[in-house]
Amino acid sequence: AQSVTQLDSQVPVFEEAPVELRCNYSSSVSVYLFWYVQYPNQGLQLLLKYLSGSTLVKGINGFEAEFNKSQTSFHLRKPSVHISDTAEYFCAVMDSGYALNFGKGTSLLVTP
Amino acid sequence: GAVVSQHPSWVICKSGTSVKIECRSLDFQATTMFWYRQFPKQSLMLMATSNEGSKATYEQGVEKDKFLINHASLTLSTLTVTSAHPEDSSFYICSARARGQYYEQYFGPGTRLTVT
Repeated sequence: AQSVTQLDSQVPVFEEAPVELRCNYSSSVSVYLFWYVQYPNQGLQLLLKYLSGSTLVKGINGFEAEFNKSQTSFHLRKPSVHISDTAEYFCAVMDSGYALNFGKGTSLLVTP
Repeated sequence: GAVVSQHPSWVICKSGTSVKIECRSLDFQATTMFWYRQFPKQSLMLMATSNEGSKATYEQGVEKDKFLINHASLTLSTLTVTSAHPEDSSFYICSARARGQYYEQYFGPGTRLTVT
């Protein structure tokens, strides 16, 4: 079964600093990877996705992620975070039935 | 475009009663809808997948007689929690996939269920 592991449950960072949220996947077949953001008491919003092609994927809100097949990783990065980026971030892999298998989430806390 | 709504956003019910949660795709036809459950500060766990006009496919460990899913039209899926118990209290989120779009899911805002 395809799965993802988010290596950090919480990531504190100062405003305007860069951030990397780590995600590793396990899959023996073609993999489709996603990053979602969830603000408190809200649903999920898609940040970006990797289906094929360029391994560097750019998303909304200045986020980007790099698909690394040799390291089975799909880390999310942002060069300069804002207070408003404080949220829960989920990495997910799509299974053969098009359902998403989510990681446990990383709580990003941006402080002044 | 691609908006998914859920109703209600928040519901409290007494133990032993049933509660229905609606998931609607407002501006597209959803051939597939997914229901997820999220416990506080935890990840989303897939409960079931429903295709329009077909019976839902439940994930292992999810009681199909307790969590009744109906996907009667291309814009509406419902989740009914029957004989609710306090341990059913959770955040329920649906997502929808449009016809021909295999890799994009649109998520609803979620429904907070509290069973007293």
